[in-house]
This record gives sequence, C-alpha cells and structure tokens, in this order.
Amino acid sequence: SQKIEQNSEALNIQEGKTATLTCNYTNYSPAYLQWYRQDPGRGPVFLLLIRENEKEKRKERLKVTFDTTLKQSLFHITASQPADSATYLCALDCHTGTASKLTFGTGTRLQVTL
Amino acid sequence: GAVVSQHPSWVICKSGTSVKIECRSLDFQATTMFWYRQFPKQSLMLMATSNEGSKATYEQGVEKDKFLINHASLTLSTLTVTSAHPEDSSFYICSAPPLGRDFLYEQYFGPGTRLTVT
Repeated sequence: SQKIEQNSEALNIQEGKTATLTCNYTNYSPAYLQWYRQDPGRGPVFLLLIRENEKEKRKERLKVTFDTTLKQSLFHITASQPADSATYLCALDCHTGTASKLTFGTGTRLQVTL
Repeated sequence: GAVVSQHPSWVICKSGTSVKIECRSLDFQATTMFWYRQFPKQSLMLMATSNEGSKATYEQGVEKDKFLINHASLTLSTLTVTSAHPEDSSFYICSAPPLGRDFLYEQYFGPGTRLTVT
C-alpha cells in the first residue's frame, strides 16, 4: 500500500541547532516533492519544492534533499529559532497530466526552545 | 504573493443542517481548486478536486452527494456539507495553484474553516 511517513510526530531542539526532518515514502513515484509549514489552526504555507531530477534545493536557512532511490527527502532548518516552531508537512505530487494532486505526510511538530 | 481566503473561518451547526464553505482566490485565477479535510493531529486528506465549469472529481471514499462542490467562477469554489453529522466535524482547507501554473508549482492554501457539528 502507499504510505508517506515523517520520521517522528514531534522533534525538540535547542535554538541555534540544525533541525532535520525526514520524509519516507513507499509505492509512489512522485514527479516532485514539496515541504509546507502549518501553524495551529491555519492552512499550510509553501516552503520548498524539489523535482525528481534535483538532489538538493536551498532557500535561506532551509535545505531540502531528495533521494528517489532511497525514496526519502530530508528537510533541514539551520540556525533554528523559536519562531520556526510549527508542524512541517511533506507532500508528494504524482502528476498524471492534469492539475497536480498532493498527498501529504503525517507531519512533524518541531519545537525550538531557548 | 497569491492569497486564498475562506469563509467562514469557523462555524457551529446542528446535526442535520447544511453548511456552505467558500474558497476564494483573491489576486489570481484558478481553474482548479482542491478541498482537504484535517482531523485533529492528523494530516491533510484530499477530498475532491474542484474544476471550474465542470463537475468535481472526488477521492475514493468521499460521498459526492454529501459534500457538494461548485466551482462557478475562476475565483470561487464552494463546498456544501449536507445533512451534517458530528463525525463531519473537522478542519476544512482549500487550495489552488494559479491559472497556468498547475504543474510543478506550489499550491496556495486558505486559512481553513473549523466546522463543529453538535
């Protein structure tokens, strides 16, 4: 069966450290993978997109890797800050020719403490 | 940036009544919008794809007669939960990719609507 798993339900790290979140998938062949941030009671906000032929993508303090052999994406936040505390969702798009449909992982709740 | 709004932001209704939720793209047009449902501490589950000028397509297990979707214009999609029951209580979120950017681009999400059925 198809499954998208994010490494842990919650991750606690100290301010200034690098947070690493994992997204593993099975029985999917995504064209690309996206990462979103969701704050409580709010809709997701887009962070980064990485295509299947890209290994790594960066945006400011964020970095995403995508290994289609391992079927895994890693999401890194460097120099983490308390304001980074939120739930982070990975989403796969197995585009078939019409508008993309995203399938979301379960999410990892990140807590950055002082 | 592209903005998607939802109305209402929250609603409480009695069991058996119908509730309409609006999703609007404020500064862009979208031929396609998506409706998701999110239960507490769970991820977003796609319910249906709303297509402007044609019928919506529903994901497996989603009752099309219960969740009526209308996409009447390039900026508005509505989701009506008919004969709502307590198990329909959830967080409903819509999203849209901007017109002409429906492939290999991010989606813009609305702020969500919290539905509570008593």
